[in-house]
Amino acid sequence: EDQVTQSPEALRLQEGESSSLNCSYTVSGLRGLFWYRQDPGKGPEFLFTLYSAGEEKEKERLKATLTKKESFLHITAPKPEDSATYLCAVQVYQAGTALIFGKGTTLSVSS
Amino acid sequence: GAGVSQSPRYKVAKRGQDVALRCDPISGHVSLFWYQQALGQGPEFLTYFQNEAQLDKSGLPSDRFFAERPEGSVSTLKIQRTQQEDSAVYLCASSPIGGNTGELFFGEGSRLTVL
Repeated sequence: EDQVTQSPEALRLQEGESSSLNCSYTVSGLRGLFWYRQDPGKGPEFLFTLYSAGEEKEKERLKATLTKKESFLHITAPKPEDSATYLCAVQVYQAGTALIFGKGTTLSVSS
Repeated sequence: GAGVSQSPRYKVAKRGQDVALRCDPISGHVSLFWYQQALGQGPEFLTYFQNEAQLDKSGLPSDRFFAERPEGSVSTLKIQRTQQEDSAVYLCASSPIGGNTGELFFGEGSRLTVL
């Protein structure tokens, strides 16, 4: 069964304290891995797509990386406005268009 | 509008009632998806439309769930004889690309509470 596991479930950081969020996956055939950000009461907002091991994408204080078994979302010098739930999702060949999401990591950044 | 619009934002239904949730995707977007998000969980896929064709409905949990997109734009998700386990946020997402894409534009969701 295709699975996505995110850790930790919750993370509290001080402003400027860098850290990483983990997304490990067990899938039959990875088509792509996606990171989304979700604010309370809102829908997910697309951040990154990664297709192959070794690939990296960056946007402001965020950098996403991919290996054959997991992906990391690195947050450098976070600010309070980075507080949100970060969702990881995979798309697999056998599941067609569906995204399989993890439960997310809720990040809180305090000033 | 500028983004994906969903209505109603909040719906309270008594067990056994039928509900209809509406999604207005971004104009011109070919692909439209419905996802269900329970409290504290990630979204779960329900169904996918490419234009007016429902190409994948493998995630619909039972035959009480029905979705349509008759003219290839607005979509409606209908839940018949609602049950308490149907309580969740129903998210609609669209994409300008047909086929396999994970880069989706989500609406804010419709929160359904079944009493």
